[in-house]
Amino acid sequence: SYVLTQPPSVSVAPGQTARITCGGNNIGERSVHWYQQKPGQAPVLVVYDDNERPSGIPERVSGFNSGNTATLTISRVEAGDEADFYCQLWDSTTDHRVFGGGTRLTVL
Amino acid sequence: DEQLVESGGGLVQPGGSLRLSCAASGLTVRNNYMSWVRQAPGKGLEWVSLIYSGGDTQYADSVKGRFTISRDNSDNTVSLQMDSLRPEDTAVYYCARDHALGHYMDVWGKGTTVTVSS
Repeated sequence: SYVLTQPPSVSVAPGQTARITCGGNNIGERSVHWYQQKPGQAPVLVVYDDNERPSGIPERVSGFNSGNTATLTISRVEAGDEADFYCQLWDSTTDHRVFGGGTRLTVL
Repeated sequence: DEQLVESGGGLVQPGGSLRLSCAASGLTVRNNYMSWVRQAPGKGLEWVSLIYSGGDTQYADSVKGRFTISRDNSDNTVSLQMDSLRPEDTAVYYCARDHALGHYMDVWGKGTTVTVSS
């Protein structure tokens, strides 16, 4: 089955740019989606189809996907961005949905 | 406004059964793909099961043969029947609308907690 690899943690100072990666074999050939989950809350979709934002997600959140790595970028990071982030894609060979292990974003 | 509300969680002994329910409002379950996703304590998200608008189903290998997803069109609900439960099934279970074209989950419930323990 397809495996998605994320770093366990990323730390960034307020106002700086956070980049969270999601690695997978030729992941650039697939559509990647990203979710934000704050403690005690359900996940929220923040990017779909590599770089599309749902309504209500600010422009400083963006995504890119190429080669073996997809990246979620959060510019001008704020304290309120602190959360766990998960990448996800559809494995067409099994028709299963696959999540990465998650990355905790800490705002210093 | 599209909303999903899960119910049915609780404490169950290993080997026991539990039935989760997901009540939808603002969306019609029979016209959508619907997924269950779970999260063990302190762990990441794990996709569990999916029911297509046409009624076919999919299951993660970890639950195949033990869990059954279904829907009730008259009640506009999706259910997850969980049998032969194991301690490793302990998790918060989320119901989510699974976007048919993009295969991402854009509407989530708040979750219901299942604890499998003796």
